[in-house]
Amino acid sequence: AQKVTQAQTEISVVEKEDVTLDCVYETRDTTYYLFWYKQPPSGELVFLIRRNSFDEQNEISGRYSWNFQKSTSSFNFTITASQVVDSAVYFCALSSNNAGNMLTFGGGTRLMVKP
Amino acid sequence: SQTIHQWPATLVQPVGSPLSLECTVEGTSNPNLYWYRQAAGRGLQLLFYSVGIGQISSEVPQNLSASRPQDRQFILSSKKLLLSDSGFYLCAWSGFPPLANYGYTFGSGTRLTVV
Repeated sequence: AQKVTQAQTEISVVEKEDVTLDCVYETRDTTYYLFWYKQPPSGELVFLIRRNSFDEQNEISGRYSWNFQKSTSSFNFTITASQVVDSAVYFCALSSNNAGNMLTFGGGTRLMVKP
Repeated sequence: SQTIHQWPATLVQPVGSPLSLECTVEGTSNPNLYWYRQAAGRGLQLLFYSVGIGQISSEVPQNLSASRPQDRQFILSSKKLLLSDSGFYLCAWSGFPPLANYGYTFGSGTRLTVV
């Protein structure tokens, strides 16, 4: 069975601080995909990134960066110089072909960025 | 380009009343379709998924059912709503194989309140 754990249920930071959202996953599959989604107060899920299990290269997109470490089964997400607009719930998710191609979500981390 | 439509956006229904939520996808064929539910302050739970017309898999036993009468149409139903059915319902689609595109695309969601 697959499992995604986001241990931080809520994080509060002051604007311009850096913040890291943790994600730990479990799967028996050797080929899998990891995702991060952002859910603003309006509710829709906004895709942020997909990472393949065979590509451990870290990725940076503007103020966002992701650290994929297979050795620790982690896929952490860092926001640099946070802004109020970053306030949202962030979900980490896992999918694999052997698990019916379904997305398994973590419980989410609510990030509050205060001005 | 592919788009996903989900309606209604909000719904208030009395206990014991029926439910029908509809989701349609445009710009693709033979998508995998999914219904997720998010209870207030909670994570996302997969309810149903479908890999083709008339093919429905249920992930959790519940008061809900799903149908796929057409290739790009996915319907979530209930004959008698319970208070516990309240939540935010999200429809999603993915290509086949599901990870051929960047991942899963979600609709804008339906916020259901059972009173």
